[in-house]
Amino acid sequence: EAQVTQNPRYLITVTGKKLTVTCSQNMNHEYMSWYRQDPGLGLRQIYYSMNVEVTDKGDVPEGYKVSRKEKRNFPLILESPSPNQTSLYFCASNNFRSGDTDTQYFGPGTRLTVL
Amino acid sequence: GENVEQHPSTLSVQEGDSAVIKCTYSDSASNYFPWYKQELGKRPQLIIDIRSNVGEKKDQRIAVTLNKTAKHFSLHITETQPEDSAVYFCAASKRALTFGSGTRLQVQP
Repeated sequence: EAQVTQNPRYLITVTGKKLTVTCSQNMNHEYMSWYRQDPGLGLRQIYYSMNVEVTDKGDVPEGYKVSRKEKRNFPLILESPSPNQTSLYFCASNNFRSGDTDTQYFGPGTRLTVL
Repeated sequence: GENVEQHPSTLSVQEGDSAVIKCTYSDSASNYFPWYKQELGKRPQLIIDIRSNVGEKKDQRIAVTLNKTAKHFSLHITETQPEDSAVYFCAASKRALTFGSGTRLQVQP
């Protein structure tokens, strides 16, 4: 089954304790991205990756890191989490059709609470 | 970069009525316009999309229209049902998707 998976689904942590949220897709997609979703603010892109070893900042990258060592995996790293990073996080992936965006698939989401 | 505005932020309709959600975009290079439906606590799910070489697309009760000149596109849902209640997001892209802020649709039985 074609899918995007994320782990963990729920996480409660404390300020300053490094954490990683994993994301994996089995569709051989080139493009992967991370979004955060806050009430009233829709989906805001944190980072994206066009392919292996190619990553770039989205609209709200401060406080986050990513890596793309393999095509299928795109982990999101919070080196020193703060309460303002409490949010719902979605990983997504898609391919390109003739160089343009094709259907984007979302992971199930990770609800993060930073105390 | 791209900027997408979506209206209204909330919409309440009676079951059986039509619902229309509108979005405008800023980057004339954007050529892909998907619409997502998100139910409470779940991931966004693609419900329909349109590319800039098409003016209108329909899938059963859902249709999307695109006006490239005015840089706006709309989602039309006819014969609404309670299960249509959700948050709907529009997006625009050339490469990376930029999302609107969402519309909470409530269909009253």
